[in-house]
Amino acid sequence: DADVTQTPRNRITKTGKRIMLECSQTKGHDRMYWYRQDPGLGLRLIYYSFDVKDINKGEISDGYSVSRQAQAKFSLSLESAIPNQTALYFCATSDGQVFTDTQYFGPGTRLTVL
Amino acid sequence: GNSVTQMEGPVTLSEEAFLTINCTYTATGYPSLFWYVQYPGEGLQLLLKATKADDKGSNKGFEATYRKETTSFHLEKGSVQVSDSAVYFCALSETGYSTLTFGKGTMLLVSP
Repeated sequence: DADVTQTPRNRITKTGKRIMLECSQTKGHDRMYWYRQDPGLGLRLIYYSFDVKDINKGEISDGYSVSRQAQAKFSLSLESAIPNQTALYFCATSDGQVFTDTQYFGPGTRLTVL
Repeated sequence: GNSVTQMEGPVTLSEEAFLTINCTYTATGYPSLFWYVQYPGEGLQLLLKATKADDKGSNKGFEATYRKETTSFHLEKGSVQVSDSAVYFCALSETGYSTLTFGKGTMLLVSP
């Protein structure tokens, strides 16, 4: 079984709809992240959480919110989706160890907003 | 702030050719440097990393050396294979803080 899972894998929605993307991990890591990937722009950090009680905005948090329901679960919500939020979304986890910290990525969710 | 610049792609090579993908960085502190690879339809996975100057990261025949004097971390492989076709991302993180700053990615296409 995959260590980092994302649901759904693909989603098509309409402008103005609320949508939630979910991420679960079995690696036992405290740190979790949400990124979006757009062609030619690389990955940009949306939100990150260093533990269940810690939520931080990333580079591009406007229009998004998150919830850390448990150590293993980190959800990303689009309260009112708009077409320029069409992108590939990745969840990642890490153990936060200095020098050895490595991020592990889920398979991604492809979101299309019409 | 931190930033990563990598060469634009696609890089198109024949099998067994030598690969170099350039990466330079700007950081306020003393970062750790990474190369991640994304195969078609998959998430990113760590390819190699280096945490201090002159360190060489290596994995699967790929290598990159942390050059503080030139703020670079170029990815190299002596003989590429078709299976190496993917998008390669250079990234950095400040020591002690594990948020990553990514470059825009370089697509590598290897033909038989």
